[in-house]
Amino acid sequence: DAGVTQSPTHLIKTRGQQVTLRCSPKSGHDTVSWYQQALGQGPQFIFQYYEEEERQRGNFPDRFSGHQFPNYSSELNVNALLLGDSALYLCASSRGVARQGDYGYTFGSGTRLTVV
Amino acid sequence: ELKVEQNPLFLSMQEGKNYTIYCNYSTTSDRLYWYRQDPGKSLESLFVLLSNGAVKQEGRLMASLDTKARLSTLHITAAVHDLSATYFCAVVLMNRDDKIIFGKGTRLHILP
Repeated sequence: DAGVTQSPTHLIKTRGQQVTLRCSPKSGHDTVSWYQQALGQGPQFIFQYYEEEERQRGNFPDRFSGHQFPNYSSELNVNALLLGDSALYLCASSRGVARQGDYGYTFGSGTRLTVV
Repeated sequence: ELKVEQNPLFLSMQEGKNYTIYCNYSTTSDRLYWYRQDPGKSLESLFVLLSNGAVKQEGRLMASLDTKARLSTLHITAAVHDLSATYFCAVVLMNRDDKIIFGKGTRLHILP
């Protein structure tokens, strides 16, 4: 049973460029959340997708956008990259709204983005 | 706005010792998670605590939740080197299941 898979694992981009990160949720999960984790910090919530729509968004600018496909996989797009966007980007999947008794969220291994 | 604070942020301890990591949060929540993260790796789920007074144990780790005090603890008993990692608590906003807020993490270094 495959867990959450993310691609690519590492990426180096130049300031001003655009990047797309991909996530396939765990089998049976239909909800995908994205987090940004800067070095030495806790993950910060970017947004969540369910039924191909953005349900909830954290305090991130519009340069960060996403998409969810009918097969529940998701993409995170970041435009006009800044040096400060360098971080580990984590994808987490869950089954609908995480319910009591569920472990809730399964995290992928992340994509390490470096902006130079 | 929900804030989650962990302390200490860094802890160095010797094998065989006991210690506790604390997680305080600022508003009402009905679910709290503890995660482990090894360097360069993703987050591994350790515990989910759902109600006041909940206590869960796995090996040398035990987590508890006091919703009235808005406090969770992660207790380490007779630490071993393999427990060296960063530990995060994460809290779900009440009635807002789709957003979890993480603390900054506690970096635990256990000396052999």
